[in-house]
Amino acid sequence: EVQLLESGGGLVQPGGSLRLSCAASGFTFSSYAMSWVRQAPGKGLEWVSGISGGGGGTYYADSVKGRFTISRDNSKNTLYLQMNSLRAEDTALYYCAKTQGSSVYYSSDSWGQGTLVTVSS
Amino acid sequence: EIVLTQSPGTLSLSPGERATLSCRASQSVSSSYLAWYQQKPGQAPRLVIYGASSRATGIPDRFSGSGSGTDFTLTISRLEPEDFAVYYCQQYGSSPQTFGQGTKLEIK
Repeated sequence: EVQLLESGGGLVQPGGSLRLSCAASGFTFSSYAMSWVRQAPGKGLEWVSGISGGGGGTYYADSVKGRFTISRDNSKNTLYLQMNSLRAEDTALYYCAKTQGSSVYYSSDSWGQGTLVTVSS
Repeated sequence: EIVLTQSPGTLSLSPGERATLSCRASQSVSSSYLAWYQQKPGQAPRLVIYGASSRATGIPDRFSGSGSGTDFTLTISRLEPEDFAVYYCQQYGSSPQTFGQGTKLEIK
């Protein structure tokens, strides 16, 4: 059974940094691209970033480009999202999602339960 | 960036009725890389349809997807009580990937 467990969320001041983690199990982690998707309170889904199975391809939404960095450690079956220069509009529940293939050009067939990031002074 | 516009915003129907949800893209979606997700309150999204028309694992056959290019449809042939939720379309054929704003399917 695929399991994705996000962690690292919390309350941070504007301009601060956080690193989210997603521990994966139940599948061959390195064979699948992964994504981060966020959902602001009461709002819809927003794709944030994606990374290929091998880690060589990374992609970002315009809203986070230059501030967020996605990475993965295939030896630890863990996905990361380093978030810098955080803004109030980054406040959201951040989901980790597994895609159906090794590139990011697949839909996401498994999702974690999310970790909440709140940016506020 | 491809903008996805879903309609209607809210759809009020009764169990047993047919639901038709629309997703229109601002430009053609590559190779029908279009997915539909279902999200219930307090839960993570669940993949329903991928590749515009393929049902995900465990999705009942009352769910079907169709369309290509810029116009896509999710149809639920006979609504069951558990189908009432918010549905999102997503294009994953070009970066950045994008979601529609969602259609809330509510019980009439």
